[in-house]
Amino acid sequence: GESVGLHLPTLSVQEGDNSIINCAYSNSASDYFIWYKQESGKGPQFIIDIRSNMDKRQGQRVTVLLNKTVKHLSLQIAATQPGDSAVYFCAENKNYGGSQGNLIFGKGTKLSVKP
Amino acid sequence: DTGVSQDPRHKITKRGQNVTFRCDPISEHNRLYWYRQTLGQGPEFLTYFQNEAQLEKSRLLSDRFSAERPKGSFSTLEIQRTEQGDSAMYLCASSLLPGQGSYGYTFGSGTRLTVV
Repeated sequence: GESVGLHLPTLSVQEGDNSIINCAYSNSASDYFIWYKQESGKGPQFIIDIRSNMDKRQGQRVTVLLNKTVKHLSLQIAATQPGDSAVYFCAENKNYGGSQGNLIFGKGTKLSVKP
Repeated sequence: DTGVSQDPRHKITKRGQNVTFRCDPISEHNRLYWYRQTLGQGPEFLTYFQNEAQLEKSRLLSDRFSAERPKGSFSTLEIQRTEQGDSAMYLCASSLLPGQGSYGYTFGSGTRLTVV
């Protein structure tokens, strides 16, 4: 069925290295994507979003890349810090601007940062 | 603004009892969403409101579940005759309307429900 998924369930990186978290989506009609960070016992925290009319968007230490041709989304975290350790979810919306408001989440990638 | 608030943070109930959760969204946000999250999974959409109108409900929202947002501000989610399978984290989120600014959904910390 239509779903958002992730290539890797876990990712371990050394402090200071760059991290890349990947996401594959299957619904070509999705036009809005968000990356969330979720720490244990907390709700998802918005990191960065991107609309389908863009290929790249940068925030503070984070970059989201969208490849609509292969339906692939990635989150790059520069100079990963121990505080970045969390589960990261990508989410898609199939009708940005329309009446359909729900996000569809993938299962998440657990990022572990080694000091 | 203190963000999205949810109450209670934790709820333990016996099977068959009714429970009600409350969500207070960011005040200027028109849209309010309810999600459910089980361990190791991403959040699953349940329903959402635009102001006081409930615009969409997931098939996950069985007849035992009901959500309200009577004045277009806070919302409640009630589960009747709870079952052990209802044990999960119930998340509330709110957002502006598309085009009004950053559309990113802001989530609360959730209500952890345990049905024993």
